[in-house]
Amino acid sequence: RKEVEQDPGPFNVPEGATVAFNCTYSNSASQSFFWYRQDCRKEPKLLMSVYSSGNEDGRFTAQLNRASQYISLLIRDSKLSDSATYLCVVTPNAGKSTFGDGTTLTVKP
Amino acid sequence: ETGVTQTPRHLVMGMTNKKSLKCEQHLGHNAMYWYKQSAKKPLELMFVYNFKEQTENNSVPSRFSPECPNSSHLFLHLHTLQPEDSALYLCASSQEQGDSPLHFGNGTRLTVT
Repeated sequence: RKEVEQDPGPFNVPEGATVAFNCTYSNSASQSFFWYRQDCRKEPKLLMSVYSSGNEDGRFTAQLNRASQYISLLIRDSKLSDSATYLCVVTPNAGKSTFGDGTTLTVKP
Repeated sequence: ETGVTQTPRHLVMGMTNKKSLKCEQHLGHNAMYWYKQSAKKPLELMFVYNFKEQTENNSVPSRFSPECPNSSHLFLHLHTLQPEDSALYLCASSQEQGDSPLHFGNGTRLTVT
């Protein structure tokens, strides 16, 4: 079993749609969680950290469920510019970050 | 954003060449990383340096040799590479190794002929 598993893609949605990605992790000692966005042939960029209480940044909402060991990313009112690969990252305390394989989102007009 | 800069952006080298990739971070971070991303594959961690000391070598072949002279600079020395080493090489930094987010450079796209 992979340490970090993401929803298989691709996700193809129309503009304005709401889309959600899930990411499960196997190490119950994991302490830090992040979502990154990677555009084609570019470097990953931090989208948001994921906090225990859940957090929101504009159209993006991230949640953590420690009991079930998963994190989620919800994107509301999708824009064409949201098209990218979304990477889930999980880090044990003082350990090395583990990246998921990524979920590709394409938002169509 | 120029927090982490990598040079060169593109590199083509033969299997007998020796070249080096350079990374510099201007964020005051203490940890630096090398990642490899091959086409259609996830990111693979190669090396980690924390306060200039190597703390992680993820079973990387010896034809890749990292160097970290100080907390702001990181190099990856390449020699006798193979065509399958062609990939995007990404440098990243974080405040500390572990639970702080990574900041990536633009990457070096390497082609080995």
